[in-house]
Amino acid sequence: GAGVSQSPSNKVTEKGKDVELRCDPISGHTALYWYRQSLGQGLEFLIYFQGNSAPDKSGLPSDRFSAERTGGSVSTLTIQRTQQEDSAVYLCASSRRQGGNTIYFGEGSWLTVV
Amino acid sequence: GESVGLHLPTLSVQEGDNSIINCAYSNSASDYFIWYKQESGKGPQFIIDIRSNMDKRQGQRVTVLLNKTVKHLSLQIAATQPGDSAVYFCAENFPGSARQLTFGSGTQLTVLP
Repeated sequence: GAGVSQSPSNKVTEKGKDVELRCDPISGHTALYWYRQSLGQGLEFLIYFQGNSAPDKSGLPSDRFSAERTGGSVSTLTIQRTQQEDSAVYLCASSRRQGGNTIYFGEGSWLTVV
Repeated sequence: GESVGLHLPTLSVQEGDNSIINCAYSNSASDYFIWYKQESGKGPQFIIDIRSNMDKRQGQRVTVLLNKTVKHLSLQIAATQPGDSAVYFCAENFPGSARQLTFGSGTQLTVLP
């Protein structure tokens, strides 16, 4: 597609439920990133995928968070047993390859846990 | 108006004036820098980038300056317009970092009529 596409754009879920957030990167981009942004805050790195390499999961805040990338394209971020502190905007981004290349962001998935 | 580093999170300027947003980056080995603009309710939007072998780069109404000696990056916006009101983030890339970009906390720019 023309840009990074994320869905859903907004999600309200009850505490304890699982949620899945989807990201469709720019066509041809091999690198894919997930960031989290709490209200009025900066971007917190979560996870990074590069081609077929093992992902860098070092930013995931707990084992309730996981992500996968199928076929080197679409990625899904899963949050299990959601907590209120998980409420944030989850931003996906992609770039052509790692290192020194512009990273383009999607519009984000706004998650509210009630 | 001018903001200094990331310790001054807000900047207000009059419409038509020039804006200068500053950023102190953390790693002297960083070789690539980007400025992003984030409007309310939207994802970060690429504005301009610069590599470490350059000191200055100009775009449309924007200029990025890089001072590697003091690890300082600035974004200059000429003739600031109401549509420039947003949060501006600087980001740095240092070689070998799998995370690719490390973001600053951002500066909120408000353009006054």
